[in-house]
Amino acid sequence: AQSVTQLDSHVSVSEGTPVLLRCNYSSSYSPSLFWYVQHPNKGLQLLLKYTSAATLVKGINGFEAEFKKSETSFHLTKPSAHMSDAAEYFCVVSDTTGGSYIPTFGRGTSLIVHP
Amino acid sequence: KAGVTQTPRYLIKTRGQQVTLSCSPISGHRSVSWYQQTPGQGLQFLFEYFSETQRNKGNFPGRFSGRQFSNSRSEMNVSTLELGDSALYLCASSLNRPDVHEQYFGPGTRLTVT
Repeated sequence: AQSVTQLDSHVSVSEGTPVLLRCNYSSSYSPSLFWYVQHPNKGLQLLLKYTSAATLVKGINGFEAEFKKSETSFHLTKPSAHMSDAAEYFCVVSDTTGGSYIPTFGRGTSLIVHP
Repeated sequence: KAGVTQTPRYLIKTRGQQVTLSCSPISGHRSVSWYQQTPGQGLQFLFEYFSETQRNKGNFPGRFSGRQFSNSRSEMNVSTLELGDSALYLCASSLNRPDVHEQYFGPGTRLTVT
């Protein structure tokens, strides 16, 4: 069984300051992990993915995430927040279920960026 | 390469009616999944289709059904609509390979049941 916990439902930062969105996961297998972003009234866009290659994963728009197996974490970071980063962020874990890869989504973290 | 498309984008239906939503996956993607997104429940998995077969199903009543065609396009149907079915319905497609199985999402269909 797999699960994912996003530790903060809301994160508020000022423009230009660092962003940290926290995610812990549980998986019976070697998991694949993803971060998605959803802007209001839009679908989800893939930010980055981890699939057992490098533990530090770089994504789009300056985001990156580090896979830490010992801590079962996959936190998302960005050095400097931009107003356009304000959105909902989802951490996702997936492993094989009967030959398919059914993801489990976290509840989401709402990132608020203040000018 | 064109992304995942969903039609219609917005729908307003009356309680008791039925509705059909459509999804066209990215070319070459054979796996199509459907999700319901609401403020209270978040993103919930409905079902996944692969090569015209339903492979996985979430915990939704039988009023929710789907199908996939030979060109991988998929439809989902909700019969006897209830007010609680108001939601954003998202479709996602995937290559579903061990090395590449991330999902790509469409913009969603916003269903309002009155």
